[in-house]
Amino acid sequence: NAGVTQTPKFQVLKTGQSMTLQCAQDMNHEYMSWYRQDPGMGLRLIHYSVGAGITDQGEVPNGYNVSRSTTEDFPLRLLSAAPSQTSVYFCASSDNTGPNQPQHFGDGTRLSIL
Amino acid sequence: DQQVKQNSPSLSVQEGRISILNCDYTNSMFDYFLWYKKYPAEGPTFLISISSIKDKNEDGRFTVFLNKSAKHLSLHIVPSQPGDSAVYFCAASGNNDMRFGAGTRLTVKP
Repeated sequence: NAGVTQTPKFQVLKTGQSMTLQCAQDMNHEYMSWYRQDPGMGLRLIHYSVGAGITDQGEVPNGYNVSRSTTEDFPLRLLSAAPSQTSVYFCASSDNTGPNQPQHFGDGTRLSIL
Repeated sequence: DQQVKQNSPSLSVQEGRISILNCDYTNSMFDYFLWYKKYPAEGPTFLISISSIKDKNEDGRFTVFLNKSAKHLSLHIVPSQPGDSAVYFCAASGNNDMRFGAGTRLTVKP
């Protein structure tokens, strides 16, 4: 009963490095999304996807890329990490094409950029 | 700009009493509202939701009230239990946009 799985759980990067945060779900959900959580600001939507091959930008997309080649996977790429991207990142999925349906969240990736 | 605001960062209540968590929003395009609960080192979990065509939704000990004219919603937990201690996020969605409040940390004392 895995649900939404995020890897890694923790990561430390140096400024300018690139990396990919992985997200996989086993519920056959069409809608997947990425959020970042910063102190005092709640969760902010980075990118979302309503199905394989379809992605769109959320509230704070700059500095991040996504792709959706399969229903199960929705990786988030940081092309050139910056200290402002230090945050906790959450991936979520739902069985509808929009966020109105309750989303299932992973346990997060805590990312520090030095 | 924060379109969803939870103005109380924390709330402490006694076990068995009512907990009331508040949330305000500014965007009239929001048509669906959700509450999520979050424990440390875990992702948020869905608690309860309400459509903009309703003004109340109940699920066991949890009730959400929506006042569209005031752009305000609240979550009532009755009776509160120590296991309810967590951070509660209010969320609003519309046109594929989802906005979260900053959260309210609820502590229920035995």
